[in-house]
Amino acid sequence: AQSVAQPEDQVNVAEGNPLTVKCTYSVSGNPYLFWYVQYPNRGLQFLLKYITGDNLVKGSYGFEAEFNKSQTSFHLKKPSALVSDSALYFCAVRAYNNNDMRFGAGTRLTVKP
Amino acid sequence: SQTIHQWPATLVQPVGSPLSLECTVEGTSNPNLYWYRQAAGRGLQLLFYSVGIGQISSEVPQNLSASRPQDRQFILSSKKLLLSDSGFYLCAWRETGAGYGYTFGSGTRLTVV
Repeated sequence: AQSVAQPEDQVNVAEGNPLTVKCTYSVSGNPYLFWYVQYPNRGLQFLLKYITGDNLVKGSYGFEAEFNKSQTSFHLKKPSALVSDSALYFCAVRAYNNNDMRFGAGTRLTVKP
Repeated sequence: SQTIHQWPATLVQPVGSPLSLECTVEGTSNPNLYWYRQAAGRGLQLLFYSVGIGQISSEVPQNLSASRPQDRQFILSSKKLLLSDSGFYLCAWRETGAGYGYTFGSGTRLTVV
């Protein structure tokens, strides 16, 4: 069975500083990895995904994530945070041969001006 | 292009009343469909998923049920709501096949009083 861990409930950064939101996963076989963002009282919005190929994937709003197979991690990063990036971020994993996706518990990102 | 519609956006229902939340997808055929519940603005709990008409898999036994009467329609129901059913309900769909992530609806905020 697959699972995802987001070790930080809360991440606080200053505007303009780089940000990292951590994610580790467990899955049998090759993983499909995803990041989603959720604003208050809204559905989750897709940010980026890793399926295969280059370990560094780029997504929406200047976010990127690096797939590290040896560390089973898929951390979300952005070089320069904006106040508008403040939201709840979810990492998710799906095994290549499985129909459902498992989500982490979410990390609340707060970017302070 | 594909779109997902979920309604209503908010709902206040008394304990013991019935529930019906509807989700429809446009622009695709034979999608995988999912119902999630999110409590207190954090983690997502998978409630039901469906890979085809009339095919429902339940992840968590409770007083909720789901049905898929048409290919692109997914309904979440309850005969008698409990206070503990309050939460944010999210519908999602995915293309069948490898490499696809989920697209989420805008969510329904259910408050049972």
